[in-house]
Parts: sequence; C-alpha cells; structure tokens
Amino acid sequence: GAGVSQSPSNKVTEKGKDVELRCDPISGHTALYWYRQSLGQGLEFLIYFQGNSAPDKSGLPSDRFSAERTGGSVSTLTIQRTQQEDSAVYLCASSKMWADTQYFGPGTRLTVL
Amino acid sequence: TQLLEQSPQFLSIQEGENLTVYCNSSSVFSSLQWYRQEPGEGPVLLVTVVTGGEVKKLKRLTFQFGDARKDSSLHITAAQPGDTGLYLCAGGDYGGSQGNLIFGKGTKLSVKP
Repeated sequence: GAGVSQSPSNKVTEKGKDVELRCDPISGHTALYWYRQSLGQGLEFLIYFQGNSAPDKSGLPSDRFSAERTGGSVSTLTIQRTQQEDSAVYLCASSKMWADTQYFGPGTRLTVL
Repeated sequence: TQLLEQSPQFLSIQEGENLTVYCNSSSVFSSLQWYRQEPGEGPVLLVTVVTGGEVKKLKRLTFQFGDARKDSSLHITAAQPGDTGLYLCAGGDYGGSQGNLIFGKGTKLSVKP
C-alpha cells in the first residue's frame, strides 16, 4: 500500500508568514509523529498523536507551533510568524499502534527567508 | 535528558573497506533502532534490537546491542557505493510520557568506487 506522504515537499516563505505542513499517514495507522531535522542535527521530536489526541505537547519548540489531527488520519503542523531558525526538514511518521515501528514520509523542506 | 552520541560524524571510505559506527548513551533504552536516510527521503528502518547482547545480521550489516542496553554498533563488511547515506541510531523511550524515539545526530557515510 501507499506509504506516508507529506506536502508540500518544499516550502519557501518569508519571515513572519504562517505555514501549514500536511501529513497523510499509512491507512489504518493510529499513531502519528512529527519530527524536525536541522542541518547537522539529528531528528528532534515535536509531537505525537494517538488517534486525534496529542497526550503531550511539550516537545513543540514554541507557542508558534501547533498541530492537529482529524478523523484519525491527516495531520497538519502549523507554524505561525515563521522565523529563520524554523528552517529545517519536517518529517512525519506513522505506526500501526503507539510504540510500533515508525514509517517515515519524505519530509517537507521549509526555508524561511 | 536522554542523549545518544554517534561516532564518527563523517566517514569516507573506499569500496571494499570495512567500517563500524558507534552509538553510545549513559541511559538504558528499551530498544534501539538503526535507520538509513538518503537525501530528500525520510529515514528507513534497518533493524530493531531489544535484548542486551543481541546481535543481528542483515546481509553485510551486523548490528550489536550492548549488554547493558546503553550502546550499539553497526558494522558494514566490504562496503559498496550503494551503502552511502546517513545512518541514524534511535533509542526507544516508550516508558516516558512522550512515546518517542531519541535520535543520534547520525553518521554520514560516503563509499567511493
């Protein structure tokens, strides 16, 4: 079946603008994860969903970041008033259940000018 | 805070050489996973090890989990150009509240023909 898909694949925006990143998990996967990968850094965990619920939002870097998941499927990560330090690749992963093997999407490369 | 240190950060070798990548932590992990990531793609899971002292082989790749479940190594025999990529180790932290993977910063491997 289809893997995890993310859109857009690339996003260039100006400082101060809002952006929305989308993740379509593998069908039937109940858990969904967001990570951020900056140049030269490992993957930084942001948030995860079990169904539509995010039990812990403390991994989000600031209150400019928010995420939601609807219908137990698609998730969007929104960054408000983007800053240059937000530039990174944002990766989404899903798993059949929480703590199962995570399957990653190709990521969205965000560049804030 | 749990951290995973990977070494070396960069590795450039000739085809046919052997190499070992290390992943170390002062923390105990419930499991440890190795991923390989190519440019423009998300990480792809290679192996999961869960038992201290466990050794798993995947063709020319040998993965070992330390007895105390704090460290792991990846050994590649007779490296080929197709092995080029970013290798990431990740520790399972599912006992925590976030239910996430803790990633190392990765080892960027380049195998030259």
